[in-house]
Amino acid sequence: GDSVTQMEGPVTLSEEAFLTINCTYTATGYPSLFWYVQYPGEGLQLLLKATKADDKGSNKGFEATYRKETTSFHLEKGSVQVSDSAVYFCALSGTSGSRLTFGEGTQLTVNP
Amino acid sequence: GAGVSQSPRYKVAKRGQDVALRCDPISGHVSLFWYQQALGQGPEFLTYFQNEAQLDKSGLPSDRFFAERPEGSVSTLKIQRTQQEDSAVYLCASSTRVGEGYTFGSGTRLTVV
Repeated sequence: GDSVTQMEGPVTLSEEAFLTINCTYTATGYPSLFWYVQYPGEGLQLLLKATKADDKGSNKGFEATYRKETTSFHLEKGSVQVSDSAVYFCALSGTSGSRLTFGEGTQLTVNP
Repeated sequence: GAGVSQSPRYKVAKRGQDVALRCDPISGHVSLFWYQQALGQGPEFLTYFQNEAQLDKSGLPSDRFFAERPEGSVSTLKIQRTQQEDSAVYLCASSTRVGEGYTFGSGTRLTVV
């Protein structure tokens, strides 16, 4: 079945550091890929998405590229801010159904 | 409404009690999903509705879990005879169509004591 694997956390960075959170997936066919962010006490918010190979999703300085050859969708940001502190989830929506399959999440803490 | 609304925000239940969790999706959203998120984990799929039809309930962990969406808008997730392992955040999400990014509610945190 479908699965998503995220890099183990937590991740702690200083403000303005470069961020990478790795995500790889297993799915049949051509899934859509997503990054969601969850701030403390809040629900999941869609951060960005990509629906086909080589697409780049971007939002709020974050970006991720759909790499079919490596089955990856790594999240990057060039300069993180304290306000980026949250839990980040990689997810996919497979062609066999509409449900989202999530990774376990990566806790990011950015210190001033 | 402007977003997906879930109620109650928090629920404490004694073991063996029945609970009902409500989800108000965004008006006009055809697809509605329920997910269960254990502490420190990613959300796990429970069930999916398209309008009033429950098209997939394969994620429901036991027959104590039941979901309905009788008029194709508001949905209720019911858990009978709650157990401690049911303690989790229950998330509802809705979407205009399959495969698109979904809008999540803030969730209901259920604690079974």
